[in-house]
Amino acid sequence: AQSVTQLDSQVPVFEEAPVELRCNYSSSVSVYLFWYVQYPNQGLQLLLKYLSGSTLVKGINGFEAEFNKSQTSFHLRKPSVHISDTAEYFCAVSGPGGYNKLIFGAGTRLAVHP
Amino acid sequence: GAGVSQTPSNKVTEKGKYVELRCDPISGHTALYWYRQSLGQGPEFLIYFQGTGAADDSGLPNDRFFAVRPEGSVSTLKIQRTERGDSAVYLCASSFGTSGNTGELFFGEGSRLTVL
Repeated sequence: AQSVTQLDSQVPVFEEAPVELRCNYSSSVSVYLFWYVQYPNQGLQLLLKYLSGSTLVKGINGFEAEFNKSQTSFHLRKPSVHISDTAEYFCAVSGPGGYNKLIFGAGTRLAVHP
Repeated sequence: GAGVSQTPSNKVTEKGKYVELRCDPISGHTALYWYRQSLGQGPEFLIYFQGTGAADDSGLPNDRFFAVRPEGSVSTLKIQRTERGDSAVYLCASSFGTSGNTGELFFGEGSRLTVL
């Protein structure tokens, strides 16, 4: 069975500081990895994804994530955050099956302060 | 509209009542998913439709939950004899066909169900 662990439920950070949101996964098969973001009063939207190839993937709004197979991690990073990045971030995994049955982590609330 | 539409946005009901939640996916999306998000948790998979058929309903918690998509577009999630533990935000998502496992799900804003 697959599972996702997001190690931090809340991450407070000051504007323009760097941030890393941690995600570890567990799976006995090859996986695809995703980060979704949920802004207040909005639906979830895809931030970035790893399917294959380069382990460093870049997404929208200046975010990037690195797939580390040996550490079973897919941490999300941004070198300089803005107030507008305040949101809930979800890491997700899917495996073979031919469709998008995503297993989500519990989420990390990023709070950017001025 | 261009996005996934869910109605109602909020529903308050009493224990034991029947509830229907509606999802209108993006036009042209053949795949439709229902997820449930309880307080402080990530979305939990309930059911997946490809066209009119439920291709995977392994996430439905019990037989009080049922979903239909009769014409391959709008879907309705039905909950019978609601319990307080059913209180959650029910999310609907759609995507182009199977799209492999690209993860390109487009989510609605959800229907918040509160069972008193």
